[in-house]
This record gives sequence, structure tokens and C-alpha cells, in this order.
Amino acid sequence: QGHLVQSGAEVKKPGASVEVSCKASGYTFTSYGISWVRQAPGHGLEWMGWISPYNGNTHYVEKFRGRVTMTTEKSTGTAYMELRSLTSDDTAIYYCAQFSTKSLAFDYWGQGTLVTVSS
Amino acid sequence: DIQMTQSPSSLSASVGDRVTMTCRASQSIGTSLNWYQQVPGKAPKLLIYAASSLQSGVPSRFSGGGSGTDFTLTISSLQPEDLATYYCQQSYNTPPFTFGPGTKVDIK
Repeated sequence: QGHLVQSGAEVKKPGASVEVSCKASGYTFTSYGISWVRQAPGHGLEWMGWISPYNGNTHYVEKFRGRVTMTTEKSTGTAYMELRSLTSDDTAIYYCAQFSTKSLAFDYWGQGTLVTVSS
Repeated sequence: DIQMTQSPSSLSASVGDRVTMTCRASQSIGTSLNWYQQVPGKAPKLLIYAASSLQSGVPSRFSGGGSGTDFTLTISSLQPEDLATYYCQQSYNTPPFTFGPGTKVDIK
């Protein structure tokens, strides 16, 4: 039974960076990929990318390449997502989600982290 | 990249109604299609994976079907707690694992 707990809400100024963390428990951290999904206010779900905690391999959506870095820390079972050069368009709830190799779906989700970008 | 579309964008139905929504992929994805429910203010929840497999703990009134490019999600008897937005998502082959734009379900 997986469980993902994310860090708290952030308020950032344009041009700044933000790092969101996602601590996993209840399963073997290195066995399943972690994806990051964001949702702007009033909008749908946007898949940002994926990281394998096993070997650190990543895949980022084209629009975020060069601006996002996803990492993991095996010792604590925590995934991180850093987004740089923030603009108001990055104001959104950011979710981490565990990708199950059994279902090929996102079985478990974090509670979400609201990132607000405002001057 | 594979693009996903959903229809309708919103619907309104009464408690007890049978509700069906559709999802279409821009190319064939076999049965690599998942459905999620997002209740307002909450994180998404997996309902259906591999087009038609019910996730553990999900009520049996939810069912999925389809293959290739066209898929459906059906709620056999709509309940008040089903007020939510429903998203399809493809997990075919390699990333990106794109989501559809969603279908918002309201209760009349």
C-alpha cells in the first residue's frame, strides 16, 4: 500500500526556482517510477516527466526540458522536482504519482503542493 | 507524441442515470488506457487501468471498454459522490504519458 507525502505550499517571485519533495512509504521505493503532474487553476492534468528511483533515468516533456530537474534520494525514499525560471504560468498544484509496472498506471498520488508565482 | 481527446467536456445527469463518456487517442494504443477520477479539491484517483480492469476498491458501477483509439468509461448508476472530473491517460510504450482534457460530471 503506497503512500506519498509532499512538501508544503510555496510562494515564489518570477524568475525564482522551487523544489517540491515527495516522500514515499509502504513499498520498495526503487521498484516503481515517480512521475510529476501539474494542474493550473481551473485546468486539467499536465504530465511533466518521470524518474526511475532505481537508476535515476529521467524523461521530461519537451516544454519543460532545460527548466526542470527530477531527482531521488534512495536513503530517505524521497523524490524531488525542481522547476527554475518561474513565471506566473507555473502557478499550479504539483502532484507526484507512483507509476505501477503492474497496472501501467499511476496507482498512488501525493496530496499535491500549491506553487504560487507572484511578484 | 500521442494526443488524447475526451467528449463531452461536461455533462449533467440525475442520480441513478447511466453515464458514458469517451476518450480518443491520436494513434492506436492497444489497451494502454487508464481512467482517473478527480473530486474537487482532491488528488486524482485511479479507477480503471488497461482499458477495462477495475482498480481494487473502486465500486463496480464503474466500467471501461475499448481498444485501439476509442475508449469509454461508463457509470452504470450515477451516485452523488461521483460528482468529479474524469481524465483518461495513455501509457503506451514510452513517455510522455499524456492525459486527456477531462469530462466534468455534474449531478442534476
